[in-house]
Amino acid sequence: QKEVEQDPGPLSVPEGAIVSLNCTYSNSAFQYFMWYRQYSRKGPELLMYTYSSGNKEDGRFTAQVDKSSKYISLFIRDSQPSDSATYLCAMSVNYGGSQGNLIFGKGTKLSVKP
Amino acid sequence: DVKVTQSSRYLVKRTGEKVFLECVQDMDHENMFWYRQDPGLGLRLIYFSYDVKMKEKGDIPEGYSVSREKKERFSLILESASTNQTSMYLCASSLIHGSKNQPQHFGDGTRLSIL
Repeated sequence: QKEVEQDPGPLSVPEGAIVSLNCTYSNSAFQYFMWYRQYSRKGPELLMYTYSSGNKEDGRFTAQVDKSSKYISLFIRDSQPSDSATYLCAMSVNYGGSQGNLIFGKGTKLSVKP
Repeated sequence: DVKVTQSSRYLVKRTGEKVFLECVQDMDHENMFWYRQDPGLGLRLIYFSYDVKMKEKGDIPEGYSVSREKKERFSLILESASTNQTSMYLCASSLIHGSKNQPQHFGDGTRLSIL
């Protein structure tokens, strides 16, 4: 079983739709959860960063972590064509020092049509 | 804003050449990382460094080495380039706050082709 599973898509939605992106994981020791957005021919850009379970909201973006189900989600409200990108989930155990390395999902490609 | 700069966006080299990829960060981050990103395989960690002159192997270190002589600079070296090293290479850095690593910040990548 892979440590982090993420549906690669592609996912195509109309402008204004609510988008739900998800990852599941197997390592119950993960504590830190991140979502990165990667535009074509660019590096990943940190979008959301959460610790442990719960929700975090930033503008049109909401990140949810359910540690009991080992499931994380990113919701995008009122999606825009500029949201078209690949979204990567990432997580770490974070003992500190050199032990906080990230485990990435393979990314979901999102296309928002005008 | 964190700035991670990779020296080349696109690079074409020949099989057997020694290839150097350079990365510089301007935020005094302790940790630096090299990944490669391939379709269907995602990001895979090659090497990382949590201090000057320190390095640790990631998941796929074979055929690569690294150098960190200064805190802000982390170099990836392909000792003898092979066609299966054609890939997108991404550098990242992160801060240690207290005893905890902070999120990684990425450069825009170097798309390397080995002919």
